[in-house]
Amino acid sequence: QSVLTQPPSASGTPGQRVTISCSGSSSNIGDNFVYWYQQLPGTAPKLLIYKNYQRPSGVPDRFSGSKSGTSASLAISGLRSEDEADYYCASWDDSLSGQVFGGGTKLTVL
Amino acid sequence: QVQLVQSGAEVKKSGSSVKVSCKASGGTFRNVGISWVRQAPGQGLEWMGGIIPMLGTTNYAQKFQGRVTITADESTTTAYMELSSLGSEDTAIYYCARSPSIVGATVYFDPWGQGTLVTVSS
Repeated sequence: QSVLTQPPSASGTPGQRVTISCSGSSSNIGDNFVYWYQQLPGTAPKLLIYKNYQRPSGVPDRFSGSKSGTSASLAISGLRSEDEADYYCASWDDSLSGQVFGGGTKLTVL
Repeated sequence: QVQLVQSGAEVKKSGSSVKVSCKASGGTFRNVGISWVRQAPGQGLEWMGGIIPMLGTTNYAQKFQGRVTITADESTTTAYMELSSLGSEDTAIYYCARSPSIVGATVYFDPWGQGTLVTVSS
């Protein structure tokens, strides 16, 4: 059971906008930054969003992050087939004194 | 740009230990952290802990305290993760990743190593 809660799956058609939610508590998301990682099949994860909404260089602006209270969201607009991957949210948890992850969301592009 | 290259796959017996290496090249090693994250087959990501090589400071996830040791050798820009008392539940891909810090809100991972598969058999 992951500390952060994500839907196990999401889907969309090319060109659509999809959102993936990440729910936590006051000890993690509520009090700390949220990070998002993309893991393409058979590869290592890659940082997608840092400090709630910032994009590392090279990440397309189709990807955006937001946070409100103890929840966060990742939005992907103009969906492409190459976006098919697992997406994980992460945050520091003050009670556990450790980094915690969501269980991951498998995005399927139909 | 920092690149992290990890050691090769390992097969270990239950009860033994494994030590995985992570060599950094192409960037600064000293003033950043190196964290370790593992992923069991078909499962999600799990943070194990990290080290700031310049300070030798470590921070371990509660779950792994007493069983994991993370070290770093500045002269070879290599970090190590040793996990002891292995059980079948430790079968996973182990990733190293650069992190600005190893405690608090600015712990995040970028870039990642390619991963090292550790298989534990009885």
